[in-house]
Amino acid sequence: SSELTQDPAVSVALGQTVRITCQGDSLRSHSASWYQQKPGQAPVLVIYGKNNRPSGIPDRFSGSSSGNTASLTITGAQAEDEADYYCNSRDSSGNSNYVFGTGTKVTVL
Amino acid sequence: QVQLQQWGAGLLKPSETLSLTCAVYVGSFSGYYWSWIRQPPGKGLEWIGEINHSGSTNYNPSLKSRVTISVDTSKNQFSLKLSSVTAADTAVYYCARVNYDSSGYVSWWFDPWGQGTLVTVSS
Repeated sequence: SSELTQDPAVSVALGQTVRITCQGDSLRSHSASWYQQKPGQAPVLVIYGKNNRPSGIPDRFSGSSSGNTASLTITGAQAEDEADYYCNSRDSSGNSNYVFGTGTKVTVL
Repeated sequence: QVQLQQWGAGLLKPSETLSLTCAVYVGSFSGYYWSWIRQPPGKGLEWIGEINHSGSTNYNPSLKSRVTISVDTSKNQFSLKLSSVTAADTAVYYCARVNYDSSGYVSWWFDPWGQGTLVTVSS
C-alpha cells in the first residue's frame, strides 16, 4: 500500500509562516486533505480538495500540491494552531483504500 | 449540521471481538460512504474501512481478515467489529463521513468525525 511521509515536528514563531509537507506516490494522482488534531480531541478537517477550507477554518490555512508533494501552509501562525497535523489521500495501489500521513507536530513559539 | 455519535465497549480481553456503533444525526445517510479510523496511543491515524448505505464495503488490507463493517439504514447507524483483538488493537477508534467531489478536481475527505472511543485490550 502507499505511504505518506511528513516531517515529525516543526516549530514556528508566533505570527510567522510555516509549511508542512506530505510526500507520497499516491499524491501524483490523488488529492490530499489535511487534519488538525489537538490533544485529547478528534481530528478536524482544515483543508480539502484543491485548496478548500471548511466553514469556520481561518483563511491563514491554505493548501497546495505539486508532483508527489502536498503542502499545508499556516500564514501568521497563532498559539491555537499548535497541534498535530495529518495529511490523507486515496491509496494509489489500485484498491479503494485511504492512507494517512505520519503526522507533524507544530509548535508555536 | 451532521453529527456523529459513537459508542461501544472500552475494555476487552485478548481474543475477544471489538464492537462499536456510530449513529448519524441530521443530514443524509445515503449517498455517502462512512468510515472507521483508529489511532493507537501516541501514534498516527490508520484507516480501517468504509461502508455505504447499500452495504458496499472497502477494508484496509492489513485488517481485512478480522474486520466487518455493517450498516443499519433504518437507524442511520453503522458498526465496526474487529475479531481476535490483541494489545496492538488498543487505540482510540473514530467514525467519520467520507465526502467526495468529482466536479473538476476529484477529491475525498473525512468530515465530520465522531468523538472517538478508547478501546483498551488487556488481560
